[in-house]
Amino acid sequence: AQSVAQPEDQVNVAEGNPLTVKCTYSVSGNPYLFWYVQYPNRGLQFLLKYITGDNLVKGSYGFEAEFNKSQTSFHLKKPSALVSDSALYFCAVRDESGYALNFGKGTSLLVTP
Amino acid sequence: ETGVTQSPTHLIKTRGQQVTLRCSSQSGHNTVSWYQQALGQGPQFIFQYYREEENGRGNFPPRFSGLQFPNYSSELNVNALELDDSALYLCASSLRSMNTEAFFGQGTRLTVV
Repeated sequence: AQSVAQPEDQVNVAEGNPLTVKCTYSVSGNPYLFWYVQYPNRGLQFLLKYITGDNLVKGSYGFEAEFNKSQTSFHLKKPSALVSDSALYFCAVRDESGYALNFGKGTSLLVTP
Repeated sequence: ETGVTQSPTHLIKTRGQQVTLRCSSQSGHNTVSWYQQALGQGPQFIFQYYREEENGRGNFPPRFSGLQFPNYSSELNVNALELDDSALYLCASSLRSMNTEAFFGQGTRLTVV
């Protein structure tokens, strides 16, 4: 089954510093990878996706993600973190059936002033 | 805002009761999926509807059922509620394609007592 893993429960970064939220994947075939963000008591907001093509994917709110096939990783990055980026971040992969998104357990990002 | 709306936002039910949650899809989307997000966990796929038929299901028992209507709105029904059904229930609408992202509603917080 297609799956993703987020090895960090929490990431702390100072405002203005670069941030990275890690995600590794395990798939058979081509991966369809997604990043979502969740603010408290809210649904998930789509940030970006990798389907094919360039390994560096740009998304919403200044976020980008780097797809690395050899390391089976899809890390989320931002050059300069904002306090308002503090939220829960989920990596997801499309299930091989095409129906479901399989999510990681999430990484809590805390950006301090 | 994603254009996906869910109702109600919060709900308290007693063990053994039945509940119906509702979702209005984003305009133009023909596929709706439902996810359960337990506290501190990533969303888990319940099932997906396309053209008013269930066409994919996760590891959830038959007491979880759904409907999709001609206008692509949807319902999630849960019978014989158990305490472990307490969670945030998320509706997601999309086009029926492997490489398209899903757009989530704000969720319904169900508490079973």
